[in-house]
Amino acid sequence: DQQVKQNSPSLSVQEGRISILNCDYTNSMFDYFLWYKKYPAEGPTFLISISSIKDKNEDGRFTVFLNKSAKHLSLHIVPSQPGDSAVYFCAASAVEDSNYQLIWGAGTKLIIKP
Amino acid sequence: SQTIHQWPATLVQPVGSPLSLECTVEGTSNPNLYWYRQAAGRGLQLLFYSVGIGQISSEVPQNLSASRPQDRQFILSSKKLLLSDSGFYLCAWSVLVVASPLHFGNGTRLTVT
Repeated sequence: DQQVKQNSPSLSVQEGRISILNCDYTNSMFDYFLWYKKYPAEGPTFLISISSIKDKNEDGRFTVFLNKSAKHLSLHIVPSQPGDSAVYFCAASAVEDSNYQLIWGAGTKLIIKP
Repeated sequence: SQTIHQWPATLVQPVGSPLSLECTVEGTSNPNLYWYRQAAGRGLQLLFYSVGIGQISSEVPQNLSASRPQDRQFILSSKKLLLSDSGFYLCAWSVLVVASPLHFGNGTRLTVT
């Protein structure tokens, strides 16, 4: 049972436009969410996070939105740049998990077209 | 600042041969340590995690094992590799507090032939 789902395996966006990456989850106990970016042959890099007490967190060009009632979060990248082309993973954890294990989505490959 | 080192970067091994991948973390004490695998075109699968020396938790039954002989050293091993062990292996660390992100190494690309 996939508790964290990224239903779009890939997304293509024009440079300069907004990229919106989506993530859905099923476990209502999740209270902390993260986005990671991964280039080929490298480890994922932490991008931005949000806790369930917020519905928005912003860091430069990156904004994460959380809709708890819909169990949905999204990552917005504005404006999109060529260097944003990568695979993006969302992950979630629950405070009830004493080891704070992250549950990962399968990733979305973002392609920024020039 | 904290850094994580993982080696080798690439490895080609025949079926039935042993495996040893090493990961070390610098600049932090008593980190949580993790081994993940990313199979081609798929997400990250947690293999093992450790909250302290000699404490290893396995997430999935498999042909692999992990050990933590020192506080900041995490080793992934196999006695006999299978073709299905091919993949991209990632070591990561975090501090044991809620809302703490994982920090990953650059990974090892393992090809079993």
